[in-house]
Amino acid sequence: DIQMTQSPSSLSASVGDRVTITCQASQDISDYLNWYQQKPGQAPKLLIYDASNLETGVPSRFSGSGSGTDFTLTISSLQPEDVATYYCQQYDNLPLSFGGGTKVEIK
Amino acid sequence: QVQVVQSGAEVKKPGASVKVSCKASGYTFTTYGISWVRQAPGQGLEWMGWISGYNDNTNYAQKFQGRVTMTTDTSRSTAYMEMRSLRSDDTAVYYCARVRLTIYGVVTNFDSWGQGTLVIVSS
Repeated sequence: DIQMTQSPSSLSASVGDRVTITCQASQDISDYLNWYQQKPGQAPKLLIYDASNLETGVPSRFSGSGSGTDFTLTISSLQPEDVATYYCQQYDNLPLSFGGGTKVEIK
Repeated sequence: QVQVVQSGAEVKKPGASVKVSCKASGYTFTTYGISWVRQAPGQGLEWMGWISGYNDNTNYAQKFQGRVTMTTDTSRSTAYMEMRSLRSDDTAVYYCARVRLTIYGVVTNFDSWGQGTLVIVSS
């Protein structure tokens, strides 16, 4: 099974800051990587698919990059509404698997 | 618009079974799959498995093999997840999500999620 490791597990940043979250796969998964945002008390929401493609309706301050084993989710200018936990998910192999999550808070 | 609506919260005793429903609307049910993901209190997301809306093919995470059954009723555009022999550590919010597939029927991502169904297992 493919293990997904996210870092950091939590972070606190100021409004307007650039925020970077990393996700590492235990083996090469090409670009078969998605990112989700889960706000408190809500279901997850797809943000980025295929490592770097922005889902329709997602603000352009979100971006994804990477391939192989190392991936990054970037928020170019953190907004109060971005407070959430972010998860990566691989689909290179079944069983599908998620990273442990990164909780983003406002400083 | 695409909507996925789940059944309401359940409280079950250890050893019992639960069946959660997931009604889809706003798209052709048979051209997507449905996946189930659970989240224990304060924890991350755990993939349980998925079912094809086209041919009912399923794939379960090994952890749930033999204890979980996923089914669909295409006439109602509804998917179901039944879990048997419930334990206290099955207490979680259970989500269903629409699965996007490649042209080869490979699962890629979950683009529409239900609101979640809280299942509490307690004596």
